[in-house]
Amino acid sequence: LAKTTQPISMDSYEGQEVNITCSHNNIATNDYITWYQQFPSQGPRFIIQGYKTKVTNEVASLFIPADRKSSTLSLPRVSLSDTAVYYCLVGDMTTDKLIFGTGTRLQVFP
Amino acid sequence: DTAVSQTPKYLVTQMGNDKSIKCEQNLGHDTMYWYKQDSKKFLKIMFSYNNKELIINETVPNRFSPKSPDKAHLNLHINSLELGDSAVYFCASSQDLNWPYEQYFGPGTRLTVT
Repeated sequence: LAKTTQPISMDSYEGQEVNITCSHNNIATNDYITWYQQFPSQGPRFIIQGYKTKVTNEVASLFIPADRKSSTLSLPRVSLSDTAVYYCLVGDMTTDKLIFGTGTRLQVFP
Repeated sequence: DTAVSQTPKYLVTQMGNDKSIKCEQNLGHDTMYWYKQDSKKFLKIMFSYNNKELIINETVPNRFSPKSPDKAHLNLHINSLELGDSAVYFCASSQDLNWPYEQYFGPGTRLTVT
């Protein structure tokens, strides 16, 4: 199983760009990288997913270097409502399930 | 419209009781899951069903029994509840098991065993 390592917590201020990096040294060739966001008392919510290079959607960007041993979730101009826990997941096709790591607790201050 | 719904949202019960948590998805998905999130916020998969068939059954006490009457429902029944069962239980669904897939989570059921 590909294990992920993320910072436990990060602080930021409104309007700043936040980059959360995840390490996954044992990522397999067919694994995808997925990020979920979880607010208190809610279920995780899909943010973005990628395989290599860069992926961008309306809420975030995902940067994946050529060796795919890490990935960076980039949140542009965060607001207070972005305060949440962010989970990096690496897909395990052998077991067809998503393995959630410990997550990164992002706190955005005014 | 609620995509994945769970009932009840809160469940407080005593040790030894039997309880059920219901889950329904209106997304037309083939696959449904149950996750457990403990007090340290670790989210761990318990079961997954694809087209009503059990696909993943992690190391979970056999006091936990999932039931899928149809593709849109996956209920979780727990017998002889223990203090350690206290956690938030999340139901989720995905289109199917074809990788990569996106999971849609319900709001969670907070189970407290006293």
